[in-house]
Amino acid sequence: DAKTTQPPSMDCAEGRAANLPCNHSTISGNEYVYWYRQIHSQGPQYIIHGLKNNETNEMASLIITEDRKSSTLILPHATLRDTAVYYCIVRPRGSNFGNEKLTFGTGTRLTIIP
Amino acid sequence: GAGVSQSPSNKVTEKGKDVELRCDPISGHTALYWYRQRLGQGLEFLIYFQGNSAPDKSGLPSDRFSAERTGESVSTLTIQRTQQEDSAVYLCASSLRQGSYEQYFGPGTRLTVT
Repeated sequence: DAKTTQPPSMDCAEGRAANLPCNHSTISGNEYVYWYRQIHSQGPQYIIHGLKNNETNEMASLIITEDRKSSTLILPHATLRDTAVYYCIVRPRGSNFGNEKLTFGTGTRLTIIP
Repeated sequence: GAGVSQSPSNKVTEKGKDVELRCDPISGHTALYWYRQRLGQGLEFLIYFQGNSAPDKSGLPSDRFSAERTGESVSTLTIQRTQQEDSAVYLCASSLRQGSYEQYFGPGTRLTVT
């Protein structure tokens, strides 16, 4: 898996947009960007993934730069329940890669401030 | 719909006893994964199943650990002769099929070996 770099921690005011950056300068053409988060004492939760186009779902938006070397996860209206460690992972997607296990780095600890 | 469920949620056992941990994946998900997370640490991959077969058991830490899956559904992780270093949260995840698709995690089983 390509290496990712994330800031170790961030704060965001409740109700504001939380923007979490991730650098993945060595990403390969067949690798997707995935985001997961882990709320304290819970299992990791899948958030979103993308290849090169921006993506949006009910949880978040993912903005990927044109050169694909970095991305930003956006939580549009952060709530206290969004306090968690957020992990950016890059890996191929599909059935021919044999790379099943998820490898989480250290992630970004996001704290939402009331 | 129903997510991944695990039981028990908490297990306290004495050193040397055997334990069985259960995982019920999302219905229709053919791939199933077991991970371990020690306190304050990242996820360690243990094993994954495609259907009832386990193509990758490389993460099982010793021969005291075994896992099986039946009916392409429920999986059990068995730890024999538990040791204190086995204390951790054991997480199960499932995905639609193998091949680096998004994984959906259960809440985990917290195992404490006294």
